Amino acid sequence: QVQLVQSGAEVKKPGASVKVSCKASGYTFTGYYMHWVRQAPGQGLEWMGWINPNSGGTNYAQKFQGWVTMTRDTSISTAYMELSRLRSDDTAVYYCARAFAHGSGRGPYDYWGQGTLVTVSS
Amino acid sequence: DIVMTQSPDSLAVSLGERATINCKSSQSVLYSSNNKNYLAWYQQKPGQPPKLLIYWASTRESGVPDRFSGSGSGTDFTLTISSLQAEDVAVYYCQQYYSTPSMCSFGQGTKLEIK
Repeated sequence: QVQLVQSGAEVKKPGASVKVSCKASGYTFTGYYMHWVRQAPGQGLEWMGWINPNSGGTNYAQKFQGWVTMTRDTSISTAYMELSRLRSDDTAVYYCARAFAHGSGRGPYDYWGQGTLVTVSS
Repeated sequence: DIVMTQSPDSLAVSLGERATINCKSSQSVLYSSNNKNYLAWYQQKPGQPPKLLIYWASTRESGVPDRFSGSGSGTDFTLTISSLQAEDVAVYYCQQYYSTPSMCSFGQGTKLEIK
C-alpha cells in the first residue's frame, strides 16, 4: 500500500534552516509529483510547491521562492523540503502529498504524509 | 492567483440532517478542452492530514461514503453531506488545481460540528 512517512518533529531557532524528509513506499516514486503543504497552528492549508521526482524539476509558490528548496533522492524514494532563514511564523506542520495523476504535477493529492511539526522559537 | 473562498466558516448540523458547504473561486476552474472542473474537497480531523473526498468537483474518491457528494461548475461549488454522522465532524477544505504550472490553492476551511 502507498505510504508517505515523514521525519520527526524539529525545534529550530530563528534564522536557522530545517530539512524535512518524506519517504515513499508502495508505488513507483519517480512516477508521481510530490507537493509540500504547510499548516500553521489552528490555521488553514498553504501550498508551498512541488518536485518532479523523475527529473528533479521544481516549482515553488511565489511566497517561498528564494528560501525553500525541494530535492529528492531516487535511490531511497525520498523527497526533501528545506526551508531557510526560519522565523517564528514558520512554526507549522509540514506535509508532503502525492499528486494523484501519474506523470502530472496537478492535484488533487491522494496520499499525504503524517506531517512534521516544525517549531521556531528562540 | 486564484483565490478560494468558502462559506460558512463554521456550521452546526443535527445528526441525520443535511450539511452544505460552499466554495467560490475568483476565476473559473473549468478547463474547456476536457470539460473538467479542477476542484477537490478534503476532510481533516484533528491531528490528522487531510483526506481526499471528492475530485473533478463531483467524483468521489474510492472508499468515501456515498452520503458525500460534490456539485457545481465554473466558479461555484458545493459539498453536501446528505445525512450527518458523528464521524463527519471535521474541517472541510476545497482546493483548486487548475492553475499552471501545477499550482494550487485552498479555501480557508469550514468547521463542521454537531448541533
